[in-house]
Amino acid sequence: EAGVTQFPSHSVIEKGQTVTLRCDPISGHDNLYWYRRVMGKEIKFLLHFVKESKQDESGMPNNRFLAERTGGTYSTLKVQPAELEDSGVYFCASSRLGPGVRDTEAFFGQGTRLTVV
Amino acid sequence: GEDVEQSLFLSVREGDSSVINCTYTDSSSTYLYWYKQEPGAGLQLLTYIFSNMDMKQDQRLTVLLNKKDKHLSLRIADTQTGDSAIYFCAERVTGGGNKLTFGTGTQLKVEL
Repeated sequence: EAGVTQFPSHSVIEKGQTVTLRCDPISGHDNLYWYRRVMGKEIKFLLHFVKESKQDESGMPNNRFLAERTGGTYSTLKVQPAELEDSGVYFCASSRLGPGVRDTEAFFGQGTRLTVV
Repeated sequence: GEDVEQSLFLSVREGDSSVINCTYTDSSSTYLYWYKQEPGAGLQLLTYIFSNMDMKQDQRLTVLLNKKDKHLSLRIADTQTGDSAIYFCAERVTGGGNKLTFGTGTQLKVEL
């Protein structure tokens, strides 16, 4: 079974440009999460999808960030226009819906390293 | 509020035990986790503990939870070079859905 995959693995863009990150969750996982780690700091929650619906987007930094999950499968995270402080590693995770911690274990992708110059 | 803190670095000799510490502030934590991140890889769940437990052992890993002090630790026995990685503690809180609040991560370096 394939794990969570993220594209691209690295991206270097200029300030003001647009970048779109993609996450393919594990098949059958209805929960999908985006997290971000800015250099040397904690990993911060951005948002949570249940299927195609945004369950919690309280961690989205501002309206330059737009996440979508059309059809409840893969998700994209667009940053437009990118600023220097958006640099960091963006992680995606997915999990099943379920009552217990084992059912809802989150599996993480390898992350996308975004550098805004 | 939610705030999870860890020391940034730990260096140990191969064969010694490693202890990675974490403190959190939210008393409504339900589960606490330890994740490992190797270079170029994603986050791998190592182990977790329910908030009503004091200790959990899983092979070389021992998790201790002091709920009164809001302190979590991960002990790795007989540390190997393959244990070199960044270790993140994380909490899941009541009413917070399934989102996790992570610490800054502790870089563990294992020396020969």
